[in-house]
Amino acid sequence: AQSVTQLGSHVSVSEGALVLLRCNYSSSVPPYLFWYVQYPNQGLQLLLKYTTGATLVKGINGFEAEFKKSETSFHLTKPSAHMSDAAEYFCAVRSGIDKLIFGTGTRLQVFP
Amino acid sequence: DGGITQSPKYLFRKEGQNVTLSCEQNLNHDAMYWYRQDPGQGLRLIYYSQIVNDFQKGDIAEGYSVSREKKESFPLTVTSAQKNPTAFYLCASSVSQGKSNQPQHFGDGTRLSIL
Repeated sequence: AQSVTQLGSHVSVSEGALVLLRCNYSSSVPPYLFWYVQYPNQGLQLLLKYTTGATLVKGINGFEAEFKKSETSFHLTKPSAHMSDAAEYFCAVRSGIDKLIFGTGTRLQVFP
Repeated sequence: DGGITQSPKYLFRKEGQNVTLSCEQNLNHDAMYWYRQDPGQGLRLIYYSQIVNDFQKGDIAEGYSVSREKKESFPLTVTSAQKNPTAFYLCASSVSQGKSNQPQHFGDGTRLSIL
């Protein structure tokens, strides 16, 4: 069975600092992994996805994630945080053909 | 613009009342989903449908019902049997037909509260 663990329900950084949001997965098959962002009272927006191929995946808004099979991780990073990055971030893994299993989310706060 | 439209944005339910949340997509996607979001619990799958006139229960289907009479529409009814319906409800869709590397696209959600 597939599952996702997001370490840290809240992360706080200063504007301009590195953003690191952690995601570890469990999957009995080669995983398809996704990061989504959610702004208050809105739906989820896809940041990036890993399916096959290059293990370093670049997404929107300057975010990227690296798939590390040996560590079963798919951490999300951004070199320099911006105030507009404050949101909730969800990691997800594909389960079966059409379903996604979501982590419990990490709320990112950015301080000036 | 293609997308998913959920309505209403805010909804209030009285005790013992059924309410229906609307979800419409014009992305020509085969698969549609309903999730419930509670603080600190992420998204939990209520129901999903891979094709018209067919749907499956997700992890928390009790107290909910759905229909899929048209490809573009997947309404969710929160019945009076759902004792704790206050939550944020999200509808999503995706290209199906075994294309499991494709992401799900989300609507902007409906916030349901109890009067």
